[in-house]
Amino acid sequence: AQSVTQLDSHVSVSEGTPVLLRCNYSSSYSPSLFWYVQHPNKGLQLLLKYTSAATLVKGINGFEAEFKKSETSFHLTKPSAHMSDAAEYFCVVSEIVQAGTALIFGKGTTLSVSS
Amino acid sequence: EAGVAQSPRYKIIEKRQSVAFWCNPISGHATLYWYQQILGQGPKLLIQFQNNGVVDDSQLPKDRFSAERLKGVDSTLKIQPAKLEDSAVYLCASSTGGGGYTFGSGTRLTVV
Repeated sequence: AQSVTQLDSHVSVSEGTPVLLRCNYSSSYSPSLFWYVQHPNKGLQLLLKYTSAATLVKGINGFEAEFKKSETSFHLTKPSAHMSDAAEYFCVVSEIVQAGTALIFGKGTTLSVSS
Repeated sequence: EAGVAQSPRYKIIEKRQSVAFWCNPISGHATLYWYQQILGQGPKLLIQFQNNGVVDDSQLPKDRFSAERLKGVDSTLKIQPAKLEDSAVYLCASSTGGGGYTFGSGTRLTVV
């Protein structure tokens, strides 16, 4: 079965500094990987997804992630944090289940941004 | 396009009562998912439908949870009887099967 491990439950940065949210995956085949963001009392929003094309994936709001097969990692980065980036971030892998696919979520990383 | 609609947004019930949640997916999305998100955790897949058939319900506590998707469109998730540990946000998502998923805003259930 596929799984993802988010290495940090909480990350704190200052506004204007880089963001790094770490994720390792476990998969027996070339996976589809996603990052979702969830703001308080809001729904899940897709930031970006990797589906075996370019290994460096650019998403919305200046976020990007790099797929590294040798390290089984899919870390999320942003050069400069903004206060509005404070939220819960989920690394997600797509798993084949019987006749379809389903998203398997990590436990999440809470990003705090201070001024 | 319209998003995935869920209702109600919030529900508070006493333990041992029953509750039902409703989901209307994006038109044309054949696949529908129900996820349970307990506070402080990532969403966990409960059940997956392809049209009106169940694809995967291995994580659904079938002694108390049930779900149906009549006519392959709307879906309902029911809990009977509810336990305290069922307090969570219940998320519905739909997909075309091509790798795009859209999530609803969820129903926040509090069992007291």
